[in-house]
Amino acid sequence: GQNIDQPTEMTATEGAIVQINCTYQTSGFNGLFWYQQHAGEAPTFLSYNVLDGLEEKGRFSSFLSRSKGYSYLLLKELQMKDSASYLCAGMDSNYQLIWGAGTKLIIKP
Amino acid sequence: IAGITQAPTSQILAAGRRMTLRCTQDMRHNAMYWYRQDLGLGLRLIHYSNTAGTTGKGEVPDGYSVSRANTDDFPLTLASAVPSQTSVYFCASSDSAGTDTQYFGPGTRLTVL
Repeated sequence: GQNIDQPTEMTATEGAIVQINCTYQTSGFNGLFWYQQHAGEAPTFLSYNVLDGLEEKGRFSSFLSRSKGYSYLLLKELQMKDSASYLCAGMDSNYQLIWGAGTKLIIKP
Repeated sequence: IAGITQAPTSQILAAGRRMTLRCTQDMRHNAMYWYRQDLGLGLRLIHYSNTAGTTGKGEVPDGYSVSRANTDDFPLTLASAVPSQTSVYFCASSDSAGTDTQYFGPGTRLTVL
């Protein structure tokens, strides 16, 4: 079957660094997406990885290891506005996204 | 540019009633999607459309129908609502089906009593 696993909740301190892990199992693989979703709002795109390695985009970076079925989202210099849920989604061979339940990130001052 | 709009924002519906959730995008995207989001679960694809005039079934299509008469609009219909269809419904679109980024509408919160 297809499955995306990520932690339910994480807590971090303002100004610190946090890494949100995601493991995936999909029928075929066409890339791994990360989205951010603030409470009561729509998901918004953060990153897309299809090749192994680290993609850096400002304070956010995303890593992919296809051999391990593993990705992480790294958030640096955490700000209070980063408090949100972070959704990991793998794209299968039919180009459909399989979504994890999301990781709720709580930032404390 | 509005992006994607959805209507209504929220709705309380009696079981057995028919309901259509509206979704309109102004980005001329070819592909559109309907998801439901339930607490503790990931987004689940209900139906999709890769281009105007075509539709396909996602992971949880039962009890829902869609149409894609033109590029901009992708309504989702619940023929006879049941309480298990209580959820937040998101419409999304992408330039094309495939690895293009999906952009989401603001969602419709539906409660079926």
